[in-house]
Amino acid sequence: QQQVKQSPQSLIVQKGGISIINCAYENTAFDYFPWYQQFPGKGPALLIAIRPDVSEKKEGRFTISFNKSAKQFSLHIMDSQPGDSATYFCAARNAGNMLTFGGGTRLMVKP
Amino acid sequence: ETGVTQTPRHLVMGMTNKKSLKCEQHLGHNAMYWYKQSAKKPLELMFVYNFKEQTENNSVPSRFSPECPNSSHLFLHLHTLQPEDSALYLCASSQDRGDNEKLFFGSGTQLSVL
Repeated sequence: QQQVKQSPQSLIVQKGGISIINCAYENTAFDYFPWYQQFPGKGPALLIAIRPDVSEKKEGRFTISFNKSAKQFSLHIMDSQPGDSATYFCAARNAGNMLTFGGGTRLMVKP
Repeated sequence: ETGVTQTPRHLVMGMTNKKSLKCEQHLGHNAMYWYKQSAKKPLELMFVYNFKEQTENNSVPSRFSPECPNSSHLFLHLHTLQPEDSALYLCASSQDRGDNEKLFFGSGTQLSVL
């Protein structure tokens, strides 16, 4: 029940395209859903996050869509750029303030 | 930089060696974490310290021994490791254990056990 399933494992997108990464969870007690971005040789960094009381959050080219009934949330990167090439992790936090991470998606944006 | 510094960046050790990983944060945070990042696996939480007290040990084998002498420093002492322990070990910090909406990660120590 603590698992967060992330897909796809890898993604190749052309410059200017839309990158979409999906996550699904089972535990309805999760109360906070962040996305982390990790560049090679660096640790993950918080990119954007959402709470389950809203269905969408947008920050610049990055948007989280949240479907509470389906227990799914996704990250959309609009106008994807080569500089967005990184590994993206979704996560979910339970009532005990424990974060569970998804398996990660390696995104490559081709010029 | 995130304000969380890890040393060394790379470490190669034999199974009989003893080594230590160091983490230092300059953010004034009170919670510090050790995570293990293996290829094709989710980030695994290993240990959590809040105000220097260990609050979480996620069933980690005793060959990994954490130490938190103060809120700014965190160590991971390693001994008699196995090849399957090879991974990227990440340190992170947050304001405190209850306020972990933003984790600040270091760049990690890439560990290879031969």
